[in-house]
Amino acid sequence: SQQGEEDPQALSIQEGENATMNCSYKTSINNLQWYRQNSGRGLVHLILIRSNEREKHSGRLRVTLDTSKKSSSLLITASRAADTASYFCATARANSGSARQLTFGSGTQLTVLP
Amino acid sequence: KAGVTQTPRYLIKTRGQQVTLSCSPISGHRSVSWYQQTPGQGLQFLFEYFSETQRNKGNFPGRFSGRQFSNSRSEMNVSTLELGDSALYLCASSGIAGAYNEQFFGPGTRLTVL
Repeated sequence: SQQGEEDPQALSIQEGENATMNCSYKTSINNLQWYRQNSGRGLVHLILIRSNEREKHSGRLRVTLDTSKKSSSLLITASRAADTASYFCATARANSGSARQLTFGSGTQLTVLP
Repeated sequence: KAGVTQTPRYLIKTRGQQVTLSCSPISGHRSVSWYQQTPGQGLQFLFEYFSETQRNKGNFPGRFSGRQFSNSRSEMNVSTLELGDSALYLCASSGIAGAYNEQFFGPGTRLTVL
């Protein structure tokens, strides 16, 4: 079963605009990761934020984490057509012994129009 | 470094057959995880191998099995295929066990069961 949900399920914006995707999860986590997937291909790791961090940046990406609300957001600034993809959040549970697999959200399909 | 490779990339089988998928991790990585991706269930964890030992298993029937060799290459086997096994099967490698670090995904094997 999936750990959480992503919102919105689909997002369509113009090139140059910012895109914000949200992720909610259910259990205590060790870290939360964001991945991108282009059209049914492999996933590409974007950024990892640990439970004791609140914000992280990588290039045009900004991720925030609010453990009290069990939610995270991914902001892509100045979007490009090449950013068109599905974006997934994934969580690794805390203190779960051997059950330390990634649990993925349902994903947000981002379309950036030229 | 070369990325994660998966073979074959595409596979068509009929119900009742069995299939073996292969994954070669990034050189030096000892953890290999397998995921199933379907439109209905999303990305679901199958199992993880580290140093030839299965460390973690998801909620899948016993028809799904795997193994890891001494060179860290991993194989996944599905016996008595069902139509619902049609999916994109992704493997991911990591330098450490579990999901406390980023995972590097391969391009996937697209399995179609007729």
